[in-house]
Amino acid sequence: KQEVTQIPAALSVPEGENLVLNCSFTDSAIYNLQWFRQDPGKGLTSLLLIQSSQREQTSGRLNASLDKSSGRSTLYIAASQPGDSATYLCAVLNTGNQFYFGTGTSLTVIP
Amino acid sequence: DTAVSQTPKYLVTQMGNDKSIKCEQNLGHDTMYWYKQDSKKFLKIMFSYNNKELIINETVPNRFSPKSPDKAHLNLHINSLELGDSAVYFCASSLLTGSEQYFGPGTRLTVT
Repeated sequence: KQEVTQIPAALSVPEGENLVLNCSFTDSAIYNLQWFRQDPGKGLTSLLLIQSSQREQTSGRLNASLDKSSGRSTLYIAASQPGDSATYLCAVLNTGNQFYFGTGTSLTVIP
Repeated sequence: DTAVSQTPKYLVTQMGNDKSIKCEQNLGHDTMYWYKQDSKKFLKIMFSYNNKELIINETVPNRFSPKSPDKAHLNLHINSLELGDSAVYFCASSLLTGSEQYFGPGTRLTVT
């Protein structure tokens, strides 16, 4: 069974810093991996989706990479802002159409 | 325009009752999902429908029954509610199975 882990569980950084969030998964037979952010009391907002054949995706200050063979993905946030404060979740879609979410990283960007 | 909407936003009910949560998407997507987020914020998929057909049915009690009257709607009916059903339930949709998912705002269910 696929297990998706995110480290660290919580992260606090001063505004302007670059940071990296990690996601690891145990079964490399994935179809794609998606990064989301969740604000308190809200639903999830899709940030980036990486297909299994891709190595990275970029959107603005966000860059997500995927190393399927080692079971890792990272989300890089450049020049962090207080508005980036949220919980970040990664989700893996297995080739058997099974979805698994990670445990989440709670990010706080201090002004 | 709201892409994925859910009603109600909050639902408080007593044990043993039957309740429904409605979900609608106006994105023209073929696939819809129901997720449960527990008190520890862990998200787990419950069901997935593609064009009104059930394609994913994770291990959930059969008290939970999804219904898809058309591909824009996926409702969740829960019978004989239990305390452990208290959670936030999210609906989501995607153009195709496996493509980018768009989430609704969630329904916070509290069973007393």
